Amino acid sequence: EVQLVESGGGLVKPGGSLRLSCAASGFTFSSYSMNWVRQAPGKGLEWVSSISSSSSYIYYADSVKGRFTISRDNAKNSLYLQMNSLRAEDTAVYYCARVPSDSAGEFDYWGQGTLVTVSS
Amino acid sequence: AIRMTQSPSSLSASTGDRVTITCRASQGISSYLAWYQQKPGKAPKLLIYAASTLQSGVPSRFSGSGSGTDFTLTISCLQSEDFATYYCQQYYSYPYSFGQGTKLEIK
Repeated sequence: EVQLVESGGGLVKPGGSLRLSCAASGFTFSSYSMNWVRQAPGKGLEWVSSISSSSSYIYYADSVKGRFTISRDNAKNSLYLQMNSLRAEDTAVYYCARVPSDSAGEFDYWGQGTLVTVSS
Repeated sequence: AIRMTQSPSSLSASTGDRVTITCRASQGISSYLAWYQQKPGKAPKLLIYAASTLQSGVPSRFSGSGSGTDFTLTISCLQSEDFATYYCQQYYSYPYSFGQGTKLEIK
């Protein structure tokens, strides 16, 4: 069974940093592109970042470019999101999501999400 | 960046109704479009990809159509478990983008 489990969320002050993790199981993690998607309280979905299976290709939303860094460790079946210079508008539930194949871009499996709150 | 616009933003319907949600892209995206269902407090669930391909395990009352800039999600006979928020997503080019969502409520 495919499972994605996020962790690392919490309360952080503006300007602070946080590192999110996503632990994957039930599939060959190293063969799949992965993404982070966030959802502010009561709002819609916002794509944040994407990383290819071998980390060769990385993309970011303009809203996080230069502040967030996506990475992965295929040996540990884990995806990460390093978030620096956090702002109040980064407050959201952060989901990791899998892309089913290199020719796809839809997200077929999602984690349960981890809440990041940026507040003084 | 490609902007995705859904309509309506909210919709009231009854069990057994047929409903259609529309998604329009600000530029052509071929068939690189997905639809998701999200219930409160839960992660989104993939319903349809490539504009019209039903994800495994999704009931056949869900269907998608369209290409280019205009797309639709149709639920042919609403069931109680279908009341949720629906999002479209383009994956034609980065940055990927979602529509603002359509909340389907019980009339």
